[in-house]
Amino acid sequence: GENVEQHPSTLSVQEGDSAVIKCTYSDSASNYFPWYKQELGKRPQLIIDIRSNVGEKKDQRIAVTLNKTAKHFSLHITETQPEDSAVYFCAASNVVRGSQGNLIFGKGTKLSVKP
Amino acid sequence: GAGVSQSPRYKVAKRGQDVALRCDPISGHVSLFWYQQALGQGPEFLTYFQNEAQLDKSGLPSDRFFAERPEGSVSTLKIQRTQQEDSAVYLCASSLVRDTDTQYFGPGTRLTVL
Repeated sequence: GENVEQHPSTLSVQEGDSAVIKCTYSDSASNYFPWYKQELGKRPQLIIDIRSNVGEKKDQRIAVTLNKTAKHFSLHITETQPEDSAVYFCAASNVVRGSQGNLIFGKGTKLSVKP
Repeated sequence: GAGVSQSPRYKVAKRGQDVALRCDPISGHVSLFWYQQALGQGPEFLTYFQNEAQLDKSGLPSDRFFAERPEGSVSTLKIQRTQQEDSAVYLCASSLVRDTDTQYFGPGTRLTVL
């Protein structure tokens, strides 16, 4: 089955710096890769996702890149702000139209942005 | 509209008790998932419904865990004879399926087994 590895487990940056979180997956059939942000005691919230037919996607300060050959994908946050502090999870899934694959999550990265 | 809701938000059970956790998905969402999140870990898949059909229950850790979605909307996750290792946050997520793959999560139920 699918296995998702996520690094680093903790990341501390100064406000305004960039943050990069990396994930690798094992199943070449995986084709959907979402990133979730989870604040303490709150629900996971989708911040960005990418499908295997594209290599990069951006949304304001957040971007995700996907390398299908190497089976890894990364989250990039630029101009970090204190409110970006949270735990970030990557996930992988095999979605077939009309059906739904369950998400396999990484273990999470605790991001701390220092003012 | 309203997001995914779950109840209760917190549940304390004595070892050996049965518990029932409820999930109300977003209206019209066909797919419903249950995940278990241990402290400091990522969510782990338990089971998946498409409408009322339970299509995948491979993640349920033992036969003490049972889930149902009889009318294709609200779902209940039941844990019988709870054990300390069942202590975790139980997350429900729903998805529209046809037009998007995005899974929207509920706030979770934090289960503590004493």
